[in-house]
Amino acid sequence: QVQLVESGGGVVQPERSLRLSCAAAGFTFSRYPMHWVRQAPGKGLEWVAVISYDGSNKHYADSVKGRFAISRDNSKNTLYLRMNSLRVEDTAIYYCARDQRLGYSSSCLDSWGQGTLVTVSS
Amino acid sequence: DIQMTQSPSSLSASVGDRVTITCRASQSIGNYLNWYQQKPGKAPKLLIYAASSLQSGVPSRFSGSGSGTDFTLTISSLQPEDFATYYCQQSNSHPPTFGQGTKVDIK
Repeated sequence: QVQLVESGGGVVQPERSLRLSCAAAGFTFSRYPMHWVRQAPGKGLEWVAVISYDGSNKHYADSVKGRFAISRDNSKNTLYLRMNSLRVEDTAIYYCARDQRLGYSSSCLDSWGQGTLVTVSS
Repeated sequence: DIQMTQSPSSLSASVGDRVTITCRASQSIGNYLNWYQQKPGKAPKLLIYAASSLQSGVPSRFSGSGSGTDFTLTISSLQPEDFATYYCQQSNSHPPTFGQGTKVDIK
């Protein structure tokens, strides 16, 4: 079955950087677009970024554009999120999620990891 | 960006009740509407995609309807394991956006 396991979260000071990872198993990772979605404590869901199956196309939420970078290593079945210039308002659980559709993204998310908590605080 | 508005924000219901949650988009999204269930401390789970298609493994008491701007999630007979927060999400255009959530708790 599909498994997505995030790691790399923690406590970080404002303006510092952090890299999240998402290890995938149970499906052909290289054929699916992948997403990051976050959830601030006690709040709703916010889509963050998507990357195409081959890494050639990426899209970001305006709130993270220019600060975050999504990438993937299909040889390692791993998705990444590099977060730079972190702000207090970036504090959230970060989930990686698989797109429902092979190839081109549908933005429907059919499998989710358990999430990793990022806390930005001085 | 397309805004998604759910109502109500919360509701109290009893086991066996029929529950309906609505979701409205700020512009037409065709049938590009998905529903997720999230239990406390857990990741969201896809329930319904393309407005009315039941995700594999999801009980048939869940159903979705609607198109354009107005959508509905219905739970025909609420079960104890259904107490959770439900989110709608549009996948018609970037960025994908979620409703604010509807919390279903025990009356």
